[in-house]
Amino acid sequence: AQSVSQHNHHVILSEAASLELGCNYSYGGTVNLFWYVQYPGQHLQLLLKYFSGDPLVKGIKGFEAEFIKSKFSFNLRKPSVQWSDTAEYFCAVNAYSGAGSYQLTFGKGTKLSVIP
Amino acid sequence: EAEVAQSPRYKITEKSQAVAFWCDPISGHATLYWYRQILGQGPELLVQFQDESVVDDSQLPKDRFSAERLKGVDSTLKIQPAELGDSAMYLCASSLDPRTGYTNTEAFFGQGTRLTVV
Repeated sequence: AQSVSQHNHHVILSEAASLELGCNYSYGGTVNLFWYVQYPGQHLQLLLKYFSGDPLVKGIKGFEAEFIKSKFSFNLRKPSVQWSDTAEYFCAVNAYSGAGSYQLTFGKGTKLSVIP
Repeated sequence: EAEVAQSPRYKITEKSQAVAFWCDPISGHATLYWYRQILGQGPELLVQFQDESVVDDSQLPKDRFSAERLKGVDSTLKIQPAELGDSAMYLCASSLDPRTGYTNTEAFFGQGTRLTVV
């Protein structure tokens, strides 16, 4: 079964600091990769996604992620965080799970706290 | 903008009672997911439908949980009897069916139902 690992449980940064959240997955085939964000009291929203092509993808609110196939990684980055980025971030992988179906698997999440 | 609708938003129930959640996916989305999210953790898949068929319910506690999507559109998740450990957020999501050639398998999530079992 596929799995997704997020390296950091809780990250605390000051405003304007740079952010990098790690994500690794275990699956050898073709994958679709996602980062979702969950602001306090809100539902999961898509930040960015990778299906194919340029491994550096840009999402909303200045976020970007890089797919490194050889490392099975899809790390999320932002050059300068804002207080409004305080949220929980989830990496997710959609991959073929056999028997004609695909499975969307989430990591445990990283809580980001940005200090003004 | 089309959204995934879930109801109720909040539910408080006593243990051993039955509880049900409803989800209406985005029109045209063949794939429907039910996830459970415990506070501070990532969503865990309970059951996945393709149209009206269950394609993955390996993590669904079948002794107390059931799910159906009779006409391949909206879906109901039921717990009977509820236990204290079932307190969590129950999320419904939908996406296009990747088997039909769609490359965009982005899942759209509803607001969720927060269940508290007392």
